[in-house]
Amino acid sequence: SQKIEQNSEALNIQEGKTATLTCNYTNYSPAYLQWYRQDPGRGPVFLLLIRENEKEKRKERLKVTFDTTLKQSLFHITASQPADSATYLCALGRGAGNMLTFGGGTRLMVKP
Amino acid sequence: GAVVSQHPSRVICKSGTSVKIECRSLDFQATTMFWYRQFPKQSLMLMATSNEGSKATYEQGVEKDKFLINHASLTLSTLTVTSAHPEDSSFYICSASFSGGAGETQYFGPGTRLLVL
Repeated sequence: SQKIEQNSEALNIQEGKTATLTCNYTNYSPAYLQWYRQDPGRGPVFLLLIRENEKEKRKERLKVTFDTTLKQSLFHITASQPADSATYLCALGRGAGNMLTFGGGTRLMVKP
Repeated sequence: GAVVSQHPSRVICKSGTSVKIECRSLDFQATTMFWYRQFPKQSLMLMATSNEGSKATYEQGVEKDKFLINHASLTLSTLTVTSAHPEDSSFYICSASFSGGAGETQYFGPGTRLLVL
């Protein structure tokens, strides 16, 4: 069965450092992978989408890599700030309007 | 742009009653809407997918007679939890996607916290 794994343990880092979160998957051939941010008691907010034929994508302080051979995506936040503290979810999908399958999320804590 | 609202944000009800949750896309027409539930410290679990004017497609293990979904227009979908029981208490989140632009992206509502006493 499809499986998406994110580190369930919280990631604690110091302000200004780069946070790196991992998303691994098995038994799945996604057409694209997305990263979302979720704050407590709120719905997820879309951050980045990367397609299967893309290796890397950037948006401001965010960078996502996608390795379909390793079946892994890395999500980086450079120059992290306390406001970046949240849970980050990766999600895999196959097509427009199709369902997304979410990982369990990793909680990031950025300390001042 | 791409704002999705949910109402109510929080609801407390007695066991056996029905609760309706609304999901609206405020500034775009949503070709597809999704309903998720999320337990504390767990990920989102897809309950059903609905397209405007057609019956919802439910995920395995989700009772369609208990979780009624109506997608009456391109901007509104409703989820009705019928005869709610304490085990239905959860955080319900809807999302919407549209055919134009990055159709793969889902825009999420703020969620509805349901507590069944």
